[in-house]
Amino acid sequence: DVKVTQSSRYLVKRTGEKVFLECVQDMDHENMFWYRQDPGLGLRLIYFSYDVKMKEKGDIPEGYSVSREKKERFSLILESASTNQTSMYLCASSLPGVRKTEAFFGQGTRLTVV
Amino acid sequence: QQQVKQSPQSLIVQKGGISIINCAYENTAFDYFPWYQQFPGKGPALLIAIRPDVSEKKEGRFTISFNKSAKQFSLHIMDSQPGDSATYFCAGGGGGSYIPTFGRGTSLIVHP
Repeated sequence: DVKVTQSSRYLVKRTGEKVFLECVQDMDHENMFWYRQDPGLGLRLIYFSYDVKMKEKGDIPEGYSVSREKKERFSLILESASTNQTSMYLCASSLPGVRKTEAFFGQGTRLTVV
Repeated sequence: QQQVKQSPQSLIVQKGGISIINCAYENTAFDYFPWYQQFPGKGPALLIAIRPDVSEKKEGRFTISFNKSAKQFSLHIMDSQPGDSATYFCAGGGGGSYIPTFGRGTSLIVHP
């Protein structure tokens, strides 16, 4: 089974802190994603990576950056956390081509910014 | 612009009933449509997927119906069970990138 592991289930950070969310997948998938999940808004794509050191902005990249130094690891960085970034963050990975739409998700990190 | 519109936002069904969730897409480049199921405290998991060259796909109690001309597709859960209570997301992908674009989700509650 594909396993996508997010380093933290719950995080509480202060406004202005730099926050790192880590994600590791064990199936050698080329593609990795970071989504944000908010009630009533569904899953919104923050960033996407299709290879090591390669990244593309999603729908809501403002206030976020990403790092992919190794194929299995994709990190989301909140440069200066703000209260409106309080949310559930979901990491996912997938195969290339049409299979990219079949994403495997981690359990999520619920981030609270106070 | 919401590329995949999902309804209803919430749904309550009695055990044994049929649950129906509808989605409509705007991007005509989409050609792959998965559904995801998410239980509380878990990430979404792929449930079933369809391509527009078929009008229906069935897996157990779960059926996707697809209407290409209307750009609509729906998930039917037959004989709904309390264990089906979850949030369901439809998604679309295609146009070369195949990055999944999600609907806003439907919270399904099946009463025993």
